[in-house]
Amino acid sequence: GENVEQHPSTLSVQEGDSAVIKCTYSDSASNYFPWYKQELGKRPQLIIDIRSNVGEKKDQRIAVTLNKTAKHFSLHITETQPEDSAVYFCAASHFGNEKLTFGTGTRLTIIP
Amino acid sequence: DVKVTQSSRYLVKRTGEKVFLECVQDMDHENMFWYRQDPGLGLRLIYFSYDVKMKEKGDIPEGYSVSREKKERFSLILESASTNQTSMYLCASRGTGNQPQHFGDGTRLSIL
Repeated sequence: GENVEQHPSTLSVQEGDSAVIKCTYSDSASNYFPWYKQELGKRPQLIIDIRSNVGEKKDQRIAVTLNKTAKHFSLHITETQPEDSAVYFCAASHFGNEKLTFGTGTRLTIIP
Repeated sequence: DVKVTQSSRYLVKRTGEKVFLECVQDMDHENMFWYRQDPGLGLRLIYFSYDVKMKEKGDIPEGYSVSREKKERFSLILESASTNQTSMYLCASRGTGNQPQHFGDGTRLSIL
């Protein structure tokens, strides 16, 4: 089955700097890669997703890049703000397999 | 907006009790999932269902069962609760075809 590894497990950045979280996956059939943000005491919420027919997707300060050959994808947050502090999860699945496989999460802390 | 509703935010039960956690979604999604979330272990899949009366084991099904009698409702059952089942339980639903997955607010279950 699919295996998703996520790094780093914790990340601290100064407010205004950029943050990058990386994930690798094992199943070459995977073609859908969402990212979730979970604030303390709240539900995980989808912040961005990418399908394998594109290499990059951007939404304001958030972007995701995908390298299918190397089987890794990354979340990039620019101009970080205190409200970006949360746990971020990556995940992967493929068409016909409706079960998402999640990474173990990255706790991001933005230092004011 | 997709709404996934879990019946309780907090629940306290005693060891040996039979515990029911209920989840309802309002988007006619075929797929529903139960996860448990523990510090440092990320989101671990307990069971999922891709159709009414259908279920599949996830990564950690031991000690749990599920029921899906109606498309919108997915129940997690702890047959005989034990203290190691104290955790945060998250329900999620998802449409078919690599659609985003949506989570409920979670139930923090304590087994005393």
